[in-house]
Amino acid sequence: KAGVTQTPRYLIKTRGQQVTLSCSPISGHRSVSWYQQTPGQGLQFLFEYFSETQRNKGNFPGRFSGRQFSNSRSEMNVSTLELGDSALYLCASSFVDSYSPLHFGNGTRLTVT
Amino acid sequence: DAKTTQPPSMDCAEGRAANLPCNHSTISGNEYVYWYRQIHSQGPQYIIHGLKNNETNEMASLIITEDRKSSTLILPHATLRDTAVYYCIVRGRAYSGAGSYQLTFGKGTKLSVIP
Repeated sequence: KAGVTQTPRYLIKTRGQQVTLSCSPISGHRSVSWYQQTPGQGLQFLFEYFSETQRNKGNFPGRFSGRQFSNSRSEMNVSTLELGDSALYLCASSFVDSYSPLHFGNGTRLTVT
Repeated sequence: DAKTTQPPSMDCAEGRAANLPCNHSTISGNEYVYWYRQIHSQGPQYIIHGLKNNETNEMASLIITEDRKSSTLILPHATLRDTAVYYCIVRGRAYSGAGSYQLTFGKGTKLSVIP
């Protein structure tokens, strides 16, 4: 079974621009979460979607947003990029109504210059 | 979710068992223990999870103490490819109608497997 797929793998953007990252969950997984990983802050929760609805959101500014489509695929968007947004952005998917573990993709490495 | 405490780093000789400890003294009755590992520049990889009984799969074994306040992840025959940061996380059940699948990652244990 295919794993969580994230595209693109690497991205370089300039301050002030916006970016959209894509995530395709494992087939059958309806929950999709997003995490940001930086050397200083580690792995931090951004938000989680289920049935096209955001269920929970971490402590990030409104520049960070996301959405989920009816096929469970998800995108996250960061507007007005700042240098501090440079990070590895990870998507994870899971079954619902269980203790099933989250499965992560290999992330999108975003560099803001 | 309950907080976990792990040693920042450990070394293990190749071929020997790697025993990674985790303290979760504030774990509540419905919280499971999950282990993930992350190899540089890749996403975290799920290893194993359990509630109170010991668990084993093709990657590792998980030993949870009877009081559930701590656990140990065991890699029976460590190889160089097991060099990674290992995260221990506790999490309660999430339902479709409420709650979510937010995981709180600590700093983990950096395991170095030595040839």
